[in-house]
Amino acid sequence: DIQLTQSPSSLSASVGDRVTITCRASQYISKYLNWYQHKPGKAPNLLIYGASSLQSAVPSRFSGSGFGTDFTLTISTLQPEDFATYYCQHSYSNPPWTFGQGTNVEIK
Amino acid sequence: EVQLVESGGSLVKPGGSLRLSCTASGFTFSNYYINWVRLAPGRGLEWVSSISNIGSYIYYADSVKGRFTISRDNAKNSLYLQMSSLRAEDTAVYYCARLQVGTTNKHFDLWGQGTLVTVSS
Repeated sequence: DIQLTQSPSSLSASVGDRVTITCRASQYISKYLNWYQHKPGKAPNLLIYGASSLQSAVPSRFSGSGFGTDFTLTISTLQPEDFATYYCQHSYSNPPWTFGQGTNVEIK
Repeated sequence: EVQLVESGGSLVKPGGSLRLSCTASGFTFSNYYINWVRLAPGRGLEWVSSISNIGSYIYYADSVKGRFTISRDNAKNSLYLQMSSLRAEDTAVYYCARLQVGTTNKHFDLWGQGTLVTVSS
């Protein structure tokens, strides 16, 4: 099975900061990499699909990049509503479509 | 409104069984693969199971294989997860999620609000 390793597992940042989260796959997954935001008590929310495509209605401060095994989620200017946990997930080939272990973005 | 709504979560004893449901509305349910994903306390999201649009293809995570059964009834716009031989580590919020398929991507674009399963004596 394909494993995803996210880093960091948590980070503290201030409103207005630029935030970068990385996700490394244990094998080649082309561009089959998605990013989700999750807040307690709510449904996970798709941010980026296909490594770099912005989901409809998601603010443009979110962006994704990468191909193959190394991927990045960037929040250009952190807003108060962005404090949450972020997960990468691969959807390469057939399941299991594993998630990374998550990155908790906290207020500094 | 386009939505997925889970139900059926409750407190169950170890070794017990439970059936979760997920009801869809606002879209053509029979056109989509649907998945179960869970979030256990202190842990991250875990993909659990997937079923194709007419149920021809079914997949399970190793952690639930042989204990959980996914099924669907397209006439009722409903997805099910039959859970048996439940363990404490199955305690989680269970979400259903719709799979959207593009030419070079697949992603979970619609999620329910989740239903809580607690396995404890």
